[in-house]
This record gives sequence, structure tokens and C-alpha cells, in this order.
Amino acid sequence: GAVVSQHPSWVICKSGTSVKIECRSLDFQATTMFWYRQFPKQSLMLMATSNEGSKATYEQGVEKDKFLINHASLTLSTLTVTSAHPEDSSFYICSAEVHEQYFGPGTRLTVT
Amino acid sequence: TQLLEQSPQFLSIQEGENLTVYCNSSSVFSSLQWYRQEPGEGPVLLVTVVTGGEVKKLKRLTFQFGDARKDSSLHITAAQPGDTGLYLCAGKGSGGGADGLTFGKGTHLIIQP
Repeated sequence: GAVVSQHPSWVICKSGTSVKIECRSLDFQATTMFWYRQFPKQSLMLMATSNEGSKATYEQGVEKDKFLINHASLTLSTLTVTSAHPEDSSFYICSAEVHEQYFGPGTRLTVT
Repeated sequence: TQLLEQSPQFLSIQEGENLTVYCNSSSVFSSLQWYRQEPGEGPVLLVTVVTGGEVKKLKRLTFQFGDARKDSSLHITAAQPGDTGLYLCAGKGSGGGADGLTFGKGTHLIIQP
């Protein structure tokens, strides 16, 4: 149990375009999901908390207008990177909490 | 801002040796998790410790939560090449409710045959 999936697993996009990443809890419902970012050789950094039916809360320094989060159902949260730039290239990982936090497999974003 | 200092950042040892990874903070956490992450994958939960002084064992891995819930350690006995990977500690704030995790920088562990 407690399986979290992400789609796509990797994506390459051109600078200036937008990319949507999906995070799904497959066998449980999650009112709260989390989005993290991990740069090469670094640890995970919390970006935002995604709340079902309400606005996401963002960590300090994360632009809410650039990283749009929608948590439309109890099993799906989406992260849209708008007007992507090369510095947004990173490994994006979501998690959902049921007693503990379980992580998705991550999405590798490369912006060219 | 809660910070977790994890050490060492890199460790390369021979098969059969023992090792300890430390995770320290000046903040109190309601719980602390240890994860293992393979390259290109998400972290996989190894254990959660909740009670100060708690000790949990997972085969050759022993996890301890400090009495004050500010620090934790991971001890591996008789390390095997299969233990190679990135180990991450992560703390959950003591504010209650759903909180994102604060991660340490990780320990890159290499076990040489």
C-alpha cells in the first residue's frame, strides 16, 4: 500500500513553455500532498504544500505564480512550471501523507 | 527555519565494516524519518521514529531518536555492497497537522566488496 505515482517520469521542454507534472496516490486518499525539488548532488527541498480544495501554501522563496499547484481531488495534485527557464531544470518529487510521507518516483525536468 | 545537519556527507568503507550516520538539529521534531534514495528515483521510507530515546531495528540497521527529539542516528552493522546508496534523514515539525519534511543533505554511502 501507500503507492504514489508521478507522470511524466522525465520531460524536456523549451525555454518559455509550460510543463505540467501529475502526482497521484494510487491506493489511498490524501488531503495533503507535498512538492519537493532536488538539484544534482543535493537533498530535497520542500517547495509547497498542496491542499485538496484550497490554495497551496508555498515555502519562502518559491514563486507561487511560476509554480502553479492544483489539488482538484483526493488522489491527484498537479504542479505546472510556467514560463520555464533552464534554471528550473531539476528533479521534482511529490509525496503524500498517510501516517508517514510516501514519495513518488520523481520527474526529471530539463529546460533547453 | 528548522535545519538538519547530517554527517558524514560521503562515506566509503569495506564490506563487513560498521558505520554510523548522524543527523543533528537545534530544533525539536515531532518525528524523524530515514529514507534511502537510489539515483533517479524517489526516496523510500526506511523507518520513522517518534518517541524520544526510541530505538528501532531493521535487520542490520539500527535507528535511534535522541531523548530530546533533536537528533537521530543510523547504525549499519556488517555493511554489504547492497547497502550502497544515498541515505536521508528528514524531520517533521512539532507544530502539528500536515507538515512538509525538512531534509538533511544526505549521506552518500559506498560499500566496497
